[in-house]
Amino acid sequence: GAGVSQSPSNKVTEKGKDVELRCDPISGHTALYWYRQSLGQGLEFLIYFQGNSAPDKSGLPSDRFSAERTGGSVSTLTIQRTQQEDSAVYLCASSLPVGGLSTDTQYFGPGTRLTVL
Amino acid sequence: EDKVVQSPLSLVVHEGDTVTLNCSYEVTNFRSLLWYKQEKKAPTFLFMLTSSGIEKKSGRLSSILDKKELFSILNITATQTGDSAVYLCAVFDNYGQNFVFGPGTRLSVLP
Repeated sequence: GAGVSQSPSNKVTEKGKDVELRCDPISGHTALYWYRQSLGQGLEFLIYFQGNSAPDKSGLPSDRFSAERTGGSVSTLTIQRTQQEDSAVYLCASSLPVGGLSTDTQYFGPGTRLTVL
Repeated sequence: EDKVVQSPLSLVVHEGDTVTLNCSYEVTNFRSLLWYKQEKKAPTFLFMLTSSGIEKKSGRLSSILDKKELFSILNITATQTGDSAVYLCAVFDNYGQNFVFGPGTRLSVLP
């Protein structure tokens, strides 16, 4: 079936505006992760959803960042009052239910490149 | 604090060379270690390692884990220009139920 999809692929916004990034995981994958990757940096974990459980928000860098996952499928990452340091590629990944070792394999989407002017 | 360290951070070789990439980690409760190749934006999965001493192999790539010394290596033999990428190491922390990524090794293979 289809892989993980993200939209938009590119987003340019002005400082102070809100942005919303979308992730469609692979069908049947109940675990969903958001990461960001700043230029030349490694992947930074942001938030993790597992089924209908409350998300692990420990990686969100500030209260301007929030994420939700409706119906256990599509997820949106919202950044309010964007700052220039928010410029990065935002990657989404999904995996099968946590609980078996075979489920640690994450499948990544193509990412959204966010540029805050 | 969980930590994943990779070395070298950058490596330039010529086609045909063999390279070894290193990944060491400190996590609260280790479950698995994964290697990814990142060429453009999205990383692609290479290997998942959970047991010490068992080599995983795929073509010219191979990887092994040492849970006692807390490290893994990724070997690439007979490198090709298409191997040029950033290679990411990630560890799944069972305590925090999250992945911790290393900074990556940028490999450049020259013709």
